[in-house]
Amino acid sequence: LAKTTQPISMDSYEGQEVNITCSHNNIATNDYITWYQQFPSQGPRFIIQGYKTKVTNEVASLFIPADRKSSTLSLPRVSLSDTAVYYCLVGSGAGSYQLTFGKGTKLSVIP
Amino acid sequence: DGGITQSPKYLFRKEGQNVTLSCEQNLNHDAMYWYRQDPGQGLRLIYYSQIVNDFQKGDIAEGYSVSREKKESFPLTVTSAQKNPTAFYLCASSIGSEDGYTFGSGTRLTVV
Repeated sequence: LAKTTQPISMDSYEGQEVNITCSHNNIATNDYITWYQQFPSQGPRFIIQGYKTKVTNEVASLFIPADRKSSTLSLPRVSLSDTAVYYCLVGSGAGSYQLTFGKGTKLSVIP
Repeated sequence: DGGITQSPKYLFRKEGQNVTLSCEQNLNHDAMYWYRQDPGQGLRLIYYSQIVNDFQKGDIAEGYSVSREKKESFPLTVTSAQKNPTAFYLCASSIGSEDGYTFGSGTRLTVV
């Protein structure tokens, strides 16, 4: 299973765009990249998933370069409610049920 | 609304006792998972199940047991063999291995 590395913490002011980068140097050909958000004492919530290039949904964008050895989660105009831990996961397709959640990136949004 | 329900939200256990955490889903998902989270840490996989009547050990299965008699239910028993059971336990489900997980709201277990 591909290991991921992401910053332990980040601070941002309200209204700014936040980019959280995740490194996954040994990502396999059939691995997907998935990001989750977790608030204290709650279960993680799926944010976005991608395989290559760029994926965008109503809450975030995910940028994946051609070599797929890293990915960047982009949160536009963050608010205080975006303060949470963000996890980057890399997992293969069919047959891989053992996704590993690292310590994630604790994002603190400052007023 | 479809989702995953974990109960109870808070649970206290005396040392030496077994305790069972409930996890029910009405999403018609085939796969279900149990994770443990300690303060300031990520999630560690305890057990997972791909289909009914089948389950596999995760990274930290020692001291835990599960069953999957129904598609909707995946209860976790924390046995007395688990030496440090105080933690936040999360149940999740997914359609398949490459799909996003849906998590429950968690059960916080404290040994007193």
